[in-house]
Amino acid sequence: SAVISQKPSRDICQRGTSLTIQCQVDSQVTMMFWYRQQPGQSLTLIATANQGSEATYESGFVIDKFPISRPNLTFSTLTVSNMSPEDSSIYLCSTATNEKLFFGSGTQLSVL
Amino acid sequence: GIQVEQSPPDLILQEGANSTLRCNFSDSVNNLQWFHQNPWGQLINLFYIPSGTKQNGRLSATTVATERYSLLYISSSQTTDSGVYFCAVSQGGTASKLTFGTGTRLQVTL
Repeated sequence: SAVISQKPSRDICQRGTSLTIQCQVDSQVTMMFWYRQQPGQSLTLIATANQGSEATYESGFVIDKFPISRPNLTFSTLTVSNMSPEDSSIYLCSTATNEKLFFGSGTQLSVL
Repeated sequence: GIQVEQSPPDLILQEGANSTLRCNFSDSVNNLQWFHQNPWGQLINLFYIPSGTKQNGRLSATTVATERYSLLYISSSQTTDSGVYFCAVSQGGTASKLTFGTGTRLQVTL
């Protein structure tokens, strides 16, 4: 299984600002995934990040709001832009090994 | 898109009790996984089980793909089993585009 380090673990931000979340994997992986978990809810896929190409966004998520970088096969970032209180959630990065999904420890974001 | 419903939504058990969690999905799937989210938010992959039965210690899972459901069994529950259990499915066979279920929140008391 992959070991995924994610930071920051939590942050409190002012509305209108942006936060960049970093995710480091201990091995090279083809795809990395970013999920959002709103308070008390299940997980929703934001986008899939492939190295060397644009991220693929799911319905309801746009690149201007959630720009993603994937500079190499072990690293990805997700930026939450122009934040509002509705963006308060846990953001999780993940990757797959042998069809099993593994997650980082998550970023708890609170927007005031 | 595919719908994934889990039951029960909430469950309280005394330590040592057994439980069965259910995951129903609305269409055929080629990938099904069970996860445990502990009280600190960490998600742990329990099983990759698109069909058949698997066991890992006190946990076991069975997926009946033709009837579109999966079951997670927890035996001799411990307080460390507390948290939220999610099933997740996809139709593509890979871990891409997994749709997560509504979750079952389990509390194990002494």
